[in-house]
Amino acid sequence: QSALTQPRSVSGSPGQSVTISCTGTSSDVGGYNYVSWYQQHPGKAPKLMIYDVSKRPSGVPDRFSGSKSGNTASLTISGLQAEDEADYYCCSYAGSYTVFGGGTKLTVL
Amino acid sequence: QVQLVESGGGLVKPGGSLRLSCAASGFTFSDYYMSWIRQAPGKGLEWVSYISSSSSYTNYADSVKGRFTISRDNAKNSLYLQMNSLRAEDTAVYYCARSVLSARFDPWGQGTLVTVSS
Repeated sequence: QSALTQPRSVSGSPGQSVTISCTGTSSDVGGYNYVSWYQQHPGKAPKLMIYDVSKRPSGVPDRFSGSKSGNTASLTISGLQAEDEADYYCCSYAGSYTVFGGGTKLTVL
Repeated sequence: QVQLVESGGGLVKPGGSLRLSCAASGFTFSDYYMSWIRQAPGKGLEWVSYISSSSSYTNYADSVKGRFTISRDNAKNSLYLQMNSLRAEDTAVYYCARSVLSARFDPWGQGTLVTVSS
């Protein structure tokens, strides 16, 4: 049950796009189309942003998109806004259990 | 609206026990898997356990297997986590979340802090 690998931090200016990667193995990310992404602001509970690799829950702006290639999933945020500054976590189904990434801090410059 | 409210956290000594609760409202609780996820101070998220809608299936992270027990009472719309043999490394905010087995957790409760310290 090893954690998925994410960059510790990414940054971008307002209006720009950023991509956060999430690397696993063929037993988790690569084995299932069940990757989700969560946004967490300081002191708050995580919020679902993407599920099943690329689906957005209602209410999540279409600036947020997800994709997957092989054992690596990605979250892209376009048209960065100040309120996007937060921690982002990927998560993957892995058969009998679920595994999270270590988290990525997004800074909006 | 869908709401999850955790309770039962607190300070406990190493080796001690604690039982967390999660009260659900705004949806048909008995239709959904439920999960516990924790976050140590300043650290990332760690999936702890899930339970199926009818309690037929449960599973645990290796880090808590044999020490923690997840359960639910569909008549009371409540989820529980019995934590025994607690260790310092179990110190974390514990969240309950409505789950779909495909790693979809939505929504999450506000969390309850468990501190294991002598």
